[in-house]
Amino acid sequence: ETGVTQSPTHLIKTRGQQVTLRCSSQSGHNTVSWYQQALGQGPQFIFQYYREEENGRGNFPPRFSGLQFPNYSSELNVNALELDDSALYLCASSSRFRGEGTEAFFGQGTRLTVV
Amino acid sequence: KQEVTQIPAALSVPEGENLVLNCSFTDSAIYNLQWFRQDPGKGLTSLLLIQSSQREQTSGRLNASLDKSSGRSTLYIAASQPGDSATYLCAVRGRGYSGGGADGLTFGKGTHLIIQP
Repeated sequence: ETGVTQSPTHLIKTRGQQVTLRCSSQSGHNTVSWYQQALGQGPQFIFQYYREEENGRGNFPPRFSGLQFPNYSSELNVNALELDDSALYLCASSSRFRGEGTEAFFGQGTRLTVV
Repeated sequence: KQEVTQIPAALSVPEGENLVLNCSFTDSAIYNLQWFRQDPGKGLTSLLLIQSSQREQTSGRLNASLDKSSGRSTLYIAASQPGDSATYLCAVRGRGYSGGGADGLTFGKGTHLIIQP
């Protein structure tokens, strides 16, 4: 059973650019969610995908968007990067059962620096 | 809006001590609560998951309890070791106010734990 993997591990972008982060879910999981973690803070929920549709969103602007593919892998896209977007981006996979979320497993994260 | 608070923010204790980390949440309508460990600059490692219908879970030297009605959870670490040094995060999964089904996780800011050799 493979775990959650994210790519790339580190990334440096310039303000105003666009970025795509990738995540491969753990085998057997059908739900993927993305989180932003600023230094010294707890992760903040960005959005969640279930069966390729967005199924829950935190307090993030529309320039944060995503996709989930038939194999349950996922992408996080951020347009018009701002300096405050610099953070560790975490992907988590889990399963849905009778509407409930099971245990969430996280990847190692992508460290994004916007300069 | 769900808010999660963790106390203390930081803790430093000698090796071998038993310790308790606290987590409180404002909205008791949760599906489950999960405790994680995070090493510096790394992802999150799941430690324990407690469903809303459960009172506690145990894994090795770790024991987590949940009192949903009072909005509290504790993580008990027995016989602490230097390898336990990390940030411990508590997170709750809400009941999907945003549209049917489980919501994302709401995290506290964590407890930074140092175990002195």
